[in-house]
Amino acid sequence: QKEVEQNSGPLSVPEGAIASLNCTYSDRGSQSFFWYRQYSGKSPELIMSIYSNGDKEDGRFTAQLNKASQYVSLLIRDSQPSDSATYLCAVKNFGNEKLTFGTGTRLTIIP
Amino acid sequence: EAQVTQNPRYLITVTGKKLTVTCSQNMNHEYMSWYRQDPGLGLRQIYYSMNVEVTDKGDVPEGYKVSRKEKRNFPLILESPSPNQTSLYFCASRRDDRTDTQYFGPGTRLTVL
Repeated sequence: QKEVEQNSGPLSVPEGAIASLNCTYSDRGSQSFFWYRQYSGKSPELIMSIYSNGDKEDGRFTAQLNKASQYVSLLIRDSQPSDSATYLCAVKNFGNEKLTFGTGTRLTIIP
Repeated sequence: EAQVTQNPRYLITVTGKKLTVTCSQNMNHEYMSWYRQDPGLGLRQIYYSMNVEVTDKGDVPEGYKVSRKEKRNFPLILESPSPNQTSLYFCASRRDDRTDTQYFGPGTRLTVL
């Protein structure tokens, strides 16, 4: 079983709709959770981080964490064509810099 | 401009010829990492460093070496490259545990023939 699993997609969502991206992880000791966005041919960039169970909102983005279910999600409201990218989920423990990524979900927003 | 730089950006080499990919950051960050990205396998961490002279293995360290002799530089060394090390490599840095944001370099596309 992979440590961090994501549906590779592609996930197609109409412009203006909500895009929902999911991630599960196997290490119950994971304490930090991140969502990165990577445009084609570019480097990853951090868009959200979450540490506690529940929701964390930042603009159109909401990260959700459920440690009991070992599940992290990212919701993108009012999806825009510029949101079309690959979204990478990553998890980390405290105390070191070891970061484990999922394989990413490719998201396409259809105008 | 705050940035992470990598050199070279593109490299084609042959099996067994030692190479070094340089990484430098101008943000005085404590933490630095190297990743490789392969289709279907995603981004995998090779090595990381949390301080000068301190390095630790990531998930895929075999066949790679790193050093952190000064804070700003974190070179990746392939002593005897093999075709399975053909990949896109990213260097990244983060200030310290007080900040989440990890800044990635532009990537180095390596082909080993």
